[in-house]
Amino acid sequence: KAGVTQTPRYLIKTRGQQVTLSCSPISGHRSVSWYQQTPGQGLQFLFEYFSETQRNKGNFPGRFSGRQFSNSRSEMNVSTLELGDSALYLCASSLGGRPTYNEQFFGPGTRLTVL
Amino acid sequence: KNEVEQSPQNLTAQEGEFITINCSYSVGISALHWLQQHPGGGIVSLFMLSSGKKKHGRLIATINIQEKHSSLHITASHPRDSAVYICAVERGNYGGATNKLIFGTGTLLAVQP
Repeated sequence: KAGVTQTPRYLIKTRGQQVTLSCSPISGHRSVSWYQQTPGQGLQFLFEYFSETQRNKGNFPGRFSGRQFSNSRSEMNVSTLELGDSALYLCASSLGGRPTYNEQFFGPGTRLTVL
Repeated sequence: KNEVEQSPQNLTAQEGEFITINCSYSVGISALHWLQQHPGGGIVSLFMLSSGKKKHGRLIATINIQEKHSSLHITASHPRDSAVYICAVERGNYGGATNKLIFGTGTLLAVQP
């Protein structure tokens, strides 16, 4: 079974631009979560989508948004990029049903550099 | 104070040594995850547990819910175990489980041959 894939793997943008990152979950997984990893803040939860609905949200400004499609693929968008948005963005998929504890499978990440 | 604390932050061991990484948390949780991250960024889920003890090969994870503490043990460590080990918790109660993870800052392990 193919793992979680993320595209693109690397991205360079300038301040003020916007960016869209894509995540394809493992087949059959309905939950996709997004995380930001920076040297200063470590790993932080952005949001989770399940069956095309945002189920959980972290403490990030409204510039960060996402969506999920009917095939469970997810995109996240960051508008009006700031230097501090430079980070590794990771997505993880899981089966997502409740009540259960869901093991998450991580993608390789997209490394975003904002100049 | 962080809701999830790990210790030590850095650990250097000789090949073959027994290694312990600790994780303490201050919130009610429904599950605790141990993750491994190699240079380059990829994260692998090692364990997900809500009670007791789990073992995969040379890795053992334990959790004490009353003490809000978990440990990750590596027996007979090997240089390929060198990575960052991250503890993460899911807040809440069973039945309201969420994939919203809160992460510790990680433990950088270097195993020397």
